[in-house]
Amino acid sequence: SQQGEEDPQALSIQEGENATMNCSYKTSINNLQWYRQNSGRGLVHLILIRSNEREKHSGRLRVTLDTSKKSSSLLITASRAADTASYFCATDASQGGKLIFGQGTELSVKP
Amino acid sequence: NAGVTQTPKFQVLKTGQSMTLQCAQDMNHNSMYWYRQDPGMGLRLIYYSASEGTTDKGEVPNGYNVSRLNKREFSLRLESAAPSQTSVYFCASTREPGGQPQHFGDGTRLSIL
Repeated sequence: SQQGEEDPQALSIQEGENATMNCSYKTSINNLQWYRQNSGRGLVHLILIRSNEREKHSGRLRVTLDTSKKSSSLLITASRAADTASYFCATDASQGGKLIFGQGTELSVKP
Repeated sequence: NAGVTQTPKFQVLKTGQSMTLQCAQDMNHNSMYWYRQDPGMGLRLIYYSASEGTTDKGEVPNGYNVSRLNKREFSLRLESAAPSQTSVYFCASTREPGGQPQHFGDGTRLSIL
């Protein structure tokens, strides 16, 4: 069974707008990670936030984590057409580094 | 710097045939993973190897076997392919198990007729 549920499943915005994707999970975690997947390619790691962190930034990315609500959000500011991709959250709740992925959000940024 | 390399990129099999998917990483990572991705779904873990010489089942191991050949290579074998195993298979590696980002190959697209 999948740990993460992502919302929305699909998001279409104009270039320059902000994109927000949400992820909810079910059990306690060690960390939560966000990945991007371009069509026909493998996943690329974007950002990792640990369970004792509440917010993390990387360039135009901002990730928040609320362990009391078991939820996380990924904000991409000033989006570009090149940000068009699927975005996945993944939770790490085990000793072996086994990640459990959500179903993903498909983001389309129109120029 | 190749990262994680998967071969082949595409394969078509008939039901009942066997096949081995190859994965190699050149980052001196200790841990390696095999996932499958089905349409509209995230990745599901098939097997993983936390370190050379160890392998463990993931969420969907039935119908698969793995071999951690050495530190670099981790192969996935389908002994008797079934149409339900039609999927895109991804290999990933990470420096240490837990708390580290995973690096992914570009996948093997497998169709079983």
